[in-house]
Amino acid sequence: GAVVSQHPSWVICKSGTSVKIECRSLDFQATTMFWYRQFPKQSLMLMATSNEGSKATYEQGVEKDKFLINHASLTLSTLTVTSAHPEDSSFYICSALRLAGGGETQYFGPGTRLLVL
Amino acid sequence: GENVEQHPSTLSVQEGDSAVIKCTYSDSASNYFPWYKQELGKRPQLIIDIRSNVGEKKDQRIAVTLNKTAKHFSLHITETQPEDSAVYFCAASEGIGNTDKLIFGTGTRLQVFP
Repeated sequence: GAVVSQHPSWVICKSGTSVKIECRSLDFQATTMFWYRQFPKQSLMLMATSNEGSKATYEQGVEKDKFLINHASLTLSTLTVTSAHPEDSSFYICSALRLAGGGETQYFGPGTRLLVL
Repeated sequence: GENVEQHPSTLSVQEGDSAVIKCTYSDSASNYFPWYKQELGKRPQLIIDIRSNVGEKKDQRIAVTLNKTAKHFSLHITETQPEDSAVYFCAASEGIGNTDKLIFGTGTRLQVFP
């Protein structure tokens, strides 16, 4: 159990285009999902917390108009990188929060590698 | 907010030896401490976690200890195997009132040599 999928797994796009990444919890419902960005050989940096039915909460320094998050259902959150530029190239990973074992645990998706040319 | 430090950044051990990775955190209100293993290009996988109401937890070759007074927690891997080679991240939840947000350490690259 606790399977999280992401689509697409990788994407190459031209500078200025928008890219949408989907995160799905396949076998459980998640009212809360998280979006992270990971640069090579670095840690996971939290970008925003996505809550079903409400606005996302962004971390300091993350532009909400550039990284649009929509948590439309209990199993789907999307991240749209608008007007992508080369500096947005990174590994984007989502996680979904699942209630288990007396507490809540984050399960990660496989990540989306974005390359902006 | 919470700040998590992790040491060492790299760790090389011989197969069969033990490996220990240490993390410290700053927010005394943090109450959940997971450890994730990430292989190159793959997703982080939860390997063990501990909550603040216990001091130690073990799962086969992996154990985690927590010292709330000192605000540090450690991952112990015994009888290491080459397939344990990966990057390991510790994390700590933010304090009361948040939405289970995790703050990650900087990672430890573990290499197990045959």
